[in-house]
Amino acid sequence: EIVMTQSPATLSVSPGERATLSCRASQSVSSNLAWYQQKPGQAPRLLIYGASTRATGIPARFSGSGSGTEFTLTISSLQSEDFAVYYCQQYNNWPPRTFGQGTKLEIK
Amino acid sequence: QVQLQESGPGLVKPSQTLSLTCTVSGGSISSGGYYWSWIRQHPGKGLEWIGYIYYSGSTYYNPSLKSRVTISVDTSKNQFSLKLSSVTAADTAVYYCARSQLGNWYFDLWGRGTLVTVSS
Repeated sequence: EIVMTQSPATLSVSPGERATLSCRASQSVSSNLAWYQQKPGQAPRLLIYGASTRATGIPARFSGSGSGTEFTLTISSLQSEDFAVYYCQQYNNWPPRTFGQGTKLEIK
Repeated sequence: QVQLQESGPGLVKPSQTLSLTCTVSGGSISSGGYYWSWIRQHPGKGLEWIGYIYYSGSTYYNPSLKSRVTISVDTSKNQFSLKLSSVTAADTAVYYCARSQLGNWYFDLWGRGTLVTVSS
């Protein structure tokens, strides 16, 4: 099973600033990596797939990069609605499909 | 647009079987092109993929749960279902149904989730 490790566990950033979230895979997942945003009491929402392709309706301030084992989600200028928990998920090797443990993005 | 809605008991006794249904509206499961999944989230924790089903009935399960999981589909009702047997308190979680496009194994559409508590 591929283990996905996200860092940091919690990230404190001020509105308007840039946030950089990391995800590492225990073995290569090529570019088969997705990012999700989850707000309290809500289901996760797909942000990025293929490591760098924004899902439909996702603002351009969200960008993804990386391949192999190292991936980054960048939010260029944080808006109030962006404070949430973010998960990465690999879909290169399965079963199972595996998620990271999440990064909580909080207001500084 | 397509929407997913989970339903089922919110409380299950230990050792019993957890049963949930996901109703798909705004589109047909039988049209193909998608896998239909169950995913769970333990309170305050991360996400765990449980398994997939295709409209034909083909299934794929997480090996860690495989011995206790059955996912089935009812195309006439446009629903798919989850059964998890011999539950314990460790199965208390929010259960989500979700969709993946065939060949793209990320989850592009999710239900709102339903909390299932295992307790006597």
